[in-house]
Amino acid sequence: DAKTTQPNSMESNEEEPVHLPCNHSTISGTDYIHWYRQLPSQGPEYVIHGLTSNVNNRMASLAIAEDRKSSTLILHRATLRDAAVYYCILANQAGTALIFGKGTTLSVSS
Amino acid sequence: GAVVSQHPSWVICKSGTSVKIECRSLDFQATTMFWYRQFPKQSLMLMATSNEGSKATYEQGVEKDKFLINHASLTLSTLTVTSAHPEDSSFYICSAHSRGWGYTFGSGTRLTVV
Repeated sequence: DAKTTQPNSMESNEEEPVHLPCNHSTISGTDYIHWYRQLPSQGPEYVIHGLTSNVNNRMASLAIAEDRKSSTLILHRATLRDAAVYYCILANQAGTALIFGKGTTLSVSS
Repeated sequence: GAVVSQHPSWVICKSGTSVKIECRSLDFQATTMFWYRQFPKQSLMLMATSNEGSKATYEQGVEKDKFLINHASLTLSTLTVTSAHPEDSSFYICSAHSRGWGYTFGSGTRLTVV
């Protein structure tokens, strides 16, 4: 499976935008870029996913580099409830298991 | 949206006993279900993949006789931890996949073996 690289941790202030980077230089043409987040003692929660074009939903935006070797998850206005571990995962359409890396632990301060 | 119900949310059992964890997809049919284990301050580790009606595929290092997976229908998968020991204490999470909804995760089960 193609691997992803994320910073171990990031900090943000409440109501400020947060840009969470992810590198995936060995991504294949059929790999989708998925983002999940996990709050303490909970299962992962879907955030967003994309293939080539930038994507927006009510939770976040996903900016994908033109060469697809990196992407950035954008939280437009961080809240305290956004404090979580964010995982960037590559997966193809075949429905194989999501393989989790270490993710980025996001801290949000008031 | 898609919901996966996982029960129990926590369980304490005595060493040597067995524990069953259920994972149900409530409003969709899951072609595949996955089981993960997560130790404190670590990431999720895939244990096994199961398709309805067929035997589960276990990851290297996961004992299939200890972690019994049954996937009897498109909406239910169970994980039974047999002869549990303290080192099996962990957070167990299931995930269901469907073409329409993608991957949906359960809320997890905290297992403590005493």
